[in-house]
Amino acid sequence: AQSVTQPDIHITVSEGASLELRCNYSYGATPYLFWYVQSPGQGLQLLLKYFSGDTLVQGIKGFEAEFKRSQSSFNLRKPSVHWSDAAEYFCAVGARTTDSWGKLQFGAGTQVVVTP
Amino acid sequence: DVKVTQSSRYLVKRTGEKVFLECVQDMDHENMFWYRQDPGLGLRLIYFSYDVKMKEKGDIPEGYSVSREKKERFSLILESASTNQTSMYLCASRTGTGWVGNQPQHFGDGTRLSIL
Repeated sequence: AQSVTQPDIHITVSEGASLELRCNYSYGATPYLFWYVQSPGQGLQLLLKYFSGDTLVQGIKGFEAEFKRSQSSFNLRKPSVHWSDAAEYFCAVGARTTDSWGKLQFGAGTQVVVTP
Repeated sequence: DVKVTQSSRYLVKRTGEKVFLECVQDMDHENMFWYRQDPGLGLRLIYFSYDVKMKEKGDIPEGYSVSREKKERFSLILESASTNQTSMYLCASRTGTGWVGNQPQHFGDGTRLSIL
């Protein structure tokens, strides 16, 4: 069965420290991958996406993610966290099948708290 | 920028009522989605519409129906609301041209629905 796992429900990080959020997937086909962020009271905003090519992907707000096929992972990173990065982060995965209408499966989310 | 507008941020209804959640997008997108977001479960797809008057069931369609009479508007209907439908509901849209797997979904700010 297809699945997306975000192992960390909650992460606390100090402002200025680095951040890494984990995402693991289980898919039969080659996946396409997204990271979204949800600030309090708002909808989801796309941070970055991966379909093919360079496995290190740059996104908005200083985030990057690395696709590792051998580990079935797509972890999100930021070198130096700002207080405004406090939010919930979702990994989403879809399958590259010709009969797919691009349905995405979302992970359960990781809540990030930033301390002064 | 894509704008996806959900008609209500907060809604309180009673069990047994018929409830309508409305979503409008301004980018002429073919595809529209309704998700339900619950803590620890991430986003789960209720229904998807790939064009006007066309719809597909998602992962949790029971107790819900949808209507897409115009391209820009996608309505979610709770036929007879129950307390277990208390949740955050998110609408999204996406272009339907080309390979849709490459295209991100754009989200509204959500409707927090409480069923008493």
